[in-house]
Amino acid sequence: KNEVEQSPQNLTAQEGEFITINCSYSVGISALHWLQQHPGGGIVSLFMLSSGKKKHGRLIATINIQEKHSSLHITASHPRDSAVYICAVRYGGGGGSQGNLIFGKGTKLSVKP
Amino acid sequence: GAGVSQSPRYKVTKRGQDVALRCDPISGHVSLYWYRQALGQGPEFLTYFNYEAQQDKSGLPNDRFSAERPEGSISTLTIQRTEQRDSAMYRCASSLWTGGTGELFFGEGSRLTVL
Repeated sequence: KNEVEQSPQNLTAQEGEFITINCSYSVGISALHWLQQHPGGGIVSLFMLSSGKKKHGRLIATINIQEKHSSLHITASHPRDSAVYICAVRYGGGGGSQGNLIFGKGTKLSVKP
Repeated sequence: GAGVSQSPRYKVTKRGQDVALRCDPISGHVSLYWYRQALGQGPEFLTYFNYEAQQDKSGLPNDRFSAERPEGSISTLTIQRTEQRDSAMYRCASSLWTGGTGELFFGEGSRLTVL
């Protein structure tokens, strides 16, 4: 079992739809990152969470530390939101691996006009 | 610098050659991560540094791969005796703080093709 699981792997939506991407993890973490990778390959950080909820424009990210689960929501989706969304956790379990980044496999989102 | 800089952006090499990939993090950033991404795949963690100390190299695929960050700034990922399966995009990211509190900033990557 992967330490970071994302779902769905692929998602196709119509413009305007509300989108949710989920991330579950099985290790103790110090932070969780939501990343966006466009077809050109560049990666940008959308959110860094250690608790609660953050909002930026049409994007909302939540995390439940007890349940080891995070969600990324996109409201009023638009074709320009089409990208791969990656969940990455910063391992916080102590010892030599503290601080490691563990990546999910990504969710490929395609928003149709 | 203004962002995380990687060089070369593209590297084509013949099997068996050694390659060195460079990452220049944002000035003052403590943590530096190396990871790679094969075409159509998610990122795969390789190793990371806090300052000049390599914290974890468990993600390095085998002993042909090594990384260093001797002065706690620029880092070099070296692949010896390259093989075709080493072909991938090699990326680095840096963050200001150690541990979990720093936002990540990513470089554009070095695309390695081994013929």
